[in-house]
Amino acid sequence: QQQVKQSPQSLIVQKGGISIINCAYENTAFDYFPWYQQFPGKGPALLIAIRPDVSEKKEGRFTISFNKSAKQFSLHIMDSQPGDSATYFCAAGYGGSQGNLIFGKGTKLSVKP
Amino acid sequence: NAGVTQTPKFQVLKTGQSMTLQCAQDMNHNSMYWYRQDPGMGLRLIYYSASEGTTDKGEVPNGYNVSRLNKREFSLRLESAAPSQTSVYFCASSEAGNGGYNEQFFGPGTRLTVL
Repeated sequence: QQQVKQSPQSLIVQKGGISIINCAYENTAFDYFPWYQQFPGKGPALLIAIRPDVSEKKEGRFTISFNKSAKQFSLHIMDSQPGDSATYFCAAGYGGSQGNLIFGKGTKLSVKP
Repeated sequence: NAGVTQTPKFQVLKTGQSMTLQCAQDMNHNSMYWYRQDPGMGLRLIYYSASEGTTDKGEVPNGYNVSRLNKREFSLRLESAAPSQTSVYFCASSEAGNGGYNEQFFGPGTRLTVL
């Protein structure tokens, strides 16, 4: 069974701090690694995604770091804000021909004012 | 452009009852998915459809059936509901399967309780 292991389960960060969530995958053939953000009562929404040909991707305050040799990737949220409080899911899969994604179990982030 | 829509939003069933969850997308996507979300378990794939007329089992298909009615619609049926099927159900769609990118777009979810 292919798995994506995500940690921590929950995270409390002060406003302005850095939030870091880590994921590890098993299948070296995966070529697409997205992060989803979910607010209470809503469906998940794509936040940022990376392909393994780059080691880092940044969009505003959100950065994915990717380590292909270690089969690990992480989400960094800089200058965390109370509005970032949500559950974050990492996933891994194939970007094109085969659509299935394997999701991590999620991290509940709380940013304290 | 509504994206992915799901009906109903909430449902309460008694053990043994049947029901169908409806999902529709207006993005002309080829692939559609059904997930269930339980506390601490993340999103688990129930069934998926890579194109109109095809369906395949995911990680947790037992107790469910699906129908890809046309390119827009993908329904999930519980034939005899059990308390273990109490969950939040999400439908999603993507362009994957036709050379498209695999960003999955999720619906708002159906919250199902089985008593």
